[in-house]
Order: sequence, then C-alpha cells, then structure tokens
Amino acid sequence: GAVVSQHPSWVICKSGTSVKIECRSLDFQATTMFWYRQFPKQSLMLMATSNEGSKATYEQGVEKDKFLINHASLTLSTLTVTSAHPEDSSFYICSARVLAGGYNEQFFGPGTRLTVL
Amino acid sequence: RKEVEQDPGPFNVPEGATVAFNCTYSNSASQSFFWYRQDCRKEPKLLMSVYSSGNEDGRFTAQLNRASQYISLLIRDSKLSDSATYLCVVNMGVKDALNFGKGTSLLVTP
Repeated sequence: GAVVSQHPSWVICKSGTSVKIECRSLDFQATTMFWYRQFPKQSLMLMATSNEGSKATYEQGVEKDKFLINHASLTLSTLTVTSAHPEDSSFYICSARVLAGGYNEQFFGPGTRLTVL
Repeated sequence: RKEVEQDPGPFNVPEGATVAFNCTYSNSASQSFFWYRQDCRKEPKLLMSVYSSGNEDGRFTAQLNRASQYISLLIRDSKLSDSATYLCVVNMGVKDALNFGKGTSLLVTP
C-alpha cells in the first residue's frame, strides 16, 4: 500500500512553544489529508481536513488559530500547534486519501506523540 | 448518540478461541465500512473492508447488516499476535473522513 510518513515521531516541549508536525505521502499524491488526534483510551477524533491549495476545514470545537494547517503541495501537509499547553498532549495522526476509480482508502502516518510540559 | 459505537471490552480469550466483535452506526446514509487494527502507541492499519454480502480473509470474517446498522468481526483460531484494539470505522462518502469507534480491546493469552 501507499506510504505516509510523519515527522517528528515524538516531541516534548515546554508550555507556550509551538510545534510543527509534517505529514508526507511518499509514493503518491494526496489532494486531501486528514488530521486526527487520539487521547489515551479514546478513539481517533478528526480535527481537520486539509485540501491542497485551499484552506483547511476544521471540525467543531477545534480552534483553527491554534492548530494551523498548511497543505502547500500534493505530498505535504503540516500541522502547527501554536502556544502548546499540557492539555494539547496527545497522539496526532495524519492520513492521506487515495481516490481512484471509486476506490477510496486512507493511509495513515505512524503518528506523532506530543508531550507538553 | 455517538456515530460509531463499540463494546470497549477488554476481551480476554485463550489462544485458539473464536471471538466476535460488534459495532453499530447511527447514520443510515453511511456508505463504506471497515475494520482497522491498532496496536499500542501505533497508527491504525486497515484489517479489512466490510461488504454487504459479507467477506472473509483467512481467519477473519466481517458482516454488515444495513437494516440494523450493525457490523461484526469474527476472529477464528485466535493467535497471540491478534492482541490489539479493533476499530470499527464508517465512512459517509468517498470525499469524507473516516468515523472511528472507540475500539474493542482484545487480549489473547497462552
């Protein structure tokens, strides 16, 4: 299947700093990428849908000014957590969608574990 | 009401046992259905898609009942390596994101 990478795989930062997470589709082009967040023992929750060349669509309750998404190319989307606080500590996972002839599958990156002290 | 509901478990079963997971979804317009597997601290990985006619992949069998909005996964002859969290996933349409259930935890013991 298609490969999606994320960087960094884990990060520890101080409260108030900003953290950028990259999501790359390595062997295919993705017009749409999704950003999810998963707290311990919880399901993956969609944060936003990232479309190449346009503004991201945020889910209700997700602050767009705090979670900045940039999808500047067909292989790269970035999520920046601005002024991170301990409650932002979570597992952030991106996925990239492949659409071909009605076939629809999403491939997930390995995730980024963020810990804010 | 949550869109995708699963029994969180945990299900503790001995090796070789057969175990079944159930899932219900709330939106009758949902179009695609999947089971994903997630290992601890890892990303979800597609286990199998679920088709209306039911489908089987080795020891795994998935069933979909659209009338009851119910999806199931059956695992036969459980292996230790089957221990993981199994996520029921529903998709409204090809352009939409996936809706995940909370997952059902399975522990297969020797």
